[in-house]
Amino acid sequence: NAGVTQTPKFRVLKTGQSMTLLCAQDMNHEYMYWYRQDPGMGLRLIHYSVGEGTTAKGEVPDGYNVSRLKKQNFLLGLESAAPSQTSVYFCASSLGGSSGSYNEQFFGPGTRLTVL
Amino acid sequence: GNSVTQMEGPVTLSEEAFLTINCTYTATGYPSLFWYVQYPGEGLQLLLKATKADDKGSNKGFEATYRKETTSFHLEKGSVQVSDSAVYFCALSGSARQLTFGSGTQLTVLP
Repeated sequence: NAGVTQTPKFRVLKTGQSMTLLCAQDMNHEYMYWYRQDPGMGLRLIHYSVGEGTTAKGEVPDGYNVSRLKKQNFLLGLESAAPSQTSVYFCASSLGGSSGSYNEQFFGPGTRLTVL
Repeated sequence: GNSVTQMEGPVTLSEEAFLTINCTYTATGYPSLFWYVQYPGEGLQLLLKATKADDKGSNKGFEATYRKETTSFHLEKGSVQVSDSAVYFCALSGSARQLTFGSGTQLTVLP
């Protein structure tokens, strides 16, 4: 049981290049999330998904797109990378469940992205 | 909207010292509250949680009590160890089970 895995671990891009970050979970979780972590700002939600085939915007969605074609995978895409997107990106997943309940979010190890 | 304000760091303590990291929040309704810990080079792990007013979450010697009247969820530990060195995040859950995080507090414990 690997939990939440992220690929790649590190990446350097030039401004304007594109890339896709892959998140995979083997816990059969319904909900998946993408966060970015910047110094002094905690984690901010980029996009999330409440089930296969669904996605929704979080706090800071601009410049990113996501897809959830399979329940176990959640992809984060940068179409035209900018230096402001230099950050550490974390994926998380949770069971989901009925309104009013909360299930623990499990985090991946992160992807460190630098945009030059 | 929801927000979490955390005690700014970094915090440096000697082993066996008492730890308090302050956390206050603003939210509509009755959110659940959490403390997450991030060890160097790793993702976040849930440390403890509380889902309603006056609940006390506890784990690994850490405690925090959900205080609705002061909108606070301060993290405490009676005797810290070098292995507790990490970044600690306070968070609350809003709609769609989204988490809103504080800015994090870096704790360093010296032997």
